[in-house]
Amino acid sequence: TQLLEQSPQFLSIQEGENLTVYCNSSSVFSSLQWYRQEPGEGPVLLVTVVTGGEVKKLKRLTFQFGDARKDSSLHITAAQPGDTGLYLCAGANSGGYQKVTFGIGTKLQVIP
Amino acid sequence: KAGVTQTPRYLIKTRGQQVTLSCSPISGHRSVSWYQQTPGQGLQFLFEYFSETQRNKGNFPGRFSGRQFSNSRSEMNVSTLELGDSALYLCASSLVLSGSYEQYFGPGTRLTVT
Repeated sequence: TQLLEQSPQFLSIQEGENLTVYCNSSSVFSSLQWYRQEPGEGPVLLVTVVTGGEVKKLKRLTFQFGDARKDSSLHITAAQPGDTGLYLCAGANSGGYQKVTFGIGTKLQVIP
Repeated sequence: KAGVTQTPRYLIKTRGQQVTLSCSPISGHRSVSWYQQTPGQGLQFLFEYFSETQRNKGNFPGRFSGRQFSNSRSEMNVSTLELGDSALYLCASSLVLSGSYEQYFGPGTRLTVT
């Protein structure tokens, strides 16, 4: 069973601070997705990374895929209250029928 | 393009009953996956359907079943409900592109078993 560990599980910061959350596994993934989920709603896809070492930026969010494609990080610059939510990473493997594994998530609270 | 829709949004059932949840994927998406989300366990994969065939299954008991119709709409059924089945049930549709596996989620069905 492939496991994705996310850290920290909970994070409470002040508006304007920077933060990094991590997603780690002992398994190699062909692609990794990051999602944000707000209470009572389904996860919303933020980004997909597929190449080892890849870095993608989405406004104040920077996503990096590890060189070995086993880990990923999400860095948020100058966090805003609207960034509050549950951040989930999900890894998938190519070949045959893909099965996606989700981490348990990082719950972020940005205090105004 | 319309997103993934799930009905109903909220459901309250008693132990022993059964329930059927419905999911309509994004137009053109042929893969539909179901997940159970609880605070302690996160998102747990239930099963995936593609072109009316179940091609992946998670580690859930046989009380959990599903199906997919020719228009890609999917239903999942839980029989003999237990208190532990209380959760948010999420449906996700995917285009299944080579090299990535992006899923688009519906808002979920909140099931409460009393």
